[in-house]
Amino acid sequence: NAGVMQNPRHLVRRRGQEARLRCSPMKGHSHVYWYRQLPEEGLKFMVYLQKENIIDESGMPKERFSAEFPKEGPSILRIQQVVRGDSAAYFCASSPDKQGLNTEAFFGQGTRLTVV
Amino acid sequence: QKEVEQNSGPLSVPEGAIASLNCTYSDRVSQSFFWYRQYSGKSPELIMSIYSNGDKEDGRFTAQLNKASQYVSLLIRDSQPSDSATYLCAVGRLKLIFGTGTRLQVFP
Repeated sequence: NAGVMQNPRHLVRRRGQEARLRCSPMKGHSHVYWYRQLPEEGLKFMVYLQKENIIDESGMPKERFSAEFPKEGPSILRIQQVVRGDSAAYFCASSPDKQGLNTEAFFGQGTRLTVV
Repeated sequence: QKEVEQNSGPLSVPEGAIASLNCTYSDRVSQSFFWYRQYSGKSPELIMSIYSNGDKEDGRFTAQLNKASQYVSLLIRDSQPSDSATYLCAVGRLKLIFGTGTRLQVFP
């Protein structure tokens, strides 16, 4: 039973390039979340998606960042025209489609983005 | 006021002792609480979830929740050097709000 799969694990981009981060949730999970962790800081919520729908994007920067979770394939976090301040670890988490309080989320290994 | 607050530490305890990690939260209607462990350079790993007032035990770990005081804690019994990590408190049902974490150091 594979866990949450993220790729690439490490990504280096020059300023102005685009970064595309991929996340495949655990089998049976329909909820996907993206978090960002800056060096020496806590995890910050970015966006919550279900298949073909963005449920909550309150943590996404207004410009250059977008996310999708298509009917087929992984969820994608896209950062256009990257700047040095985008350098961070980006974690994807998934949780099952359950009602009630029990919504444990499990994290992937993360993508470490470095902008040079 | 931060939504989820933790003492950043480091909290240093000797091997075999009980480590006590604390977290307070500001949203009174929160109903789901989680503790994650994160080793340096690694991803967060879920170790405990708690949803109702009182204690929940799992092996060497006990989570305690007091909704009236808006307080959740994690006790680690018989601490081991391998428990040395940053422990993240998270609150929320789907969208999680994380504290900045408490760094725990267990020395032999």
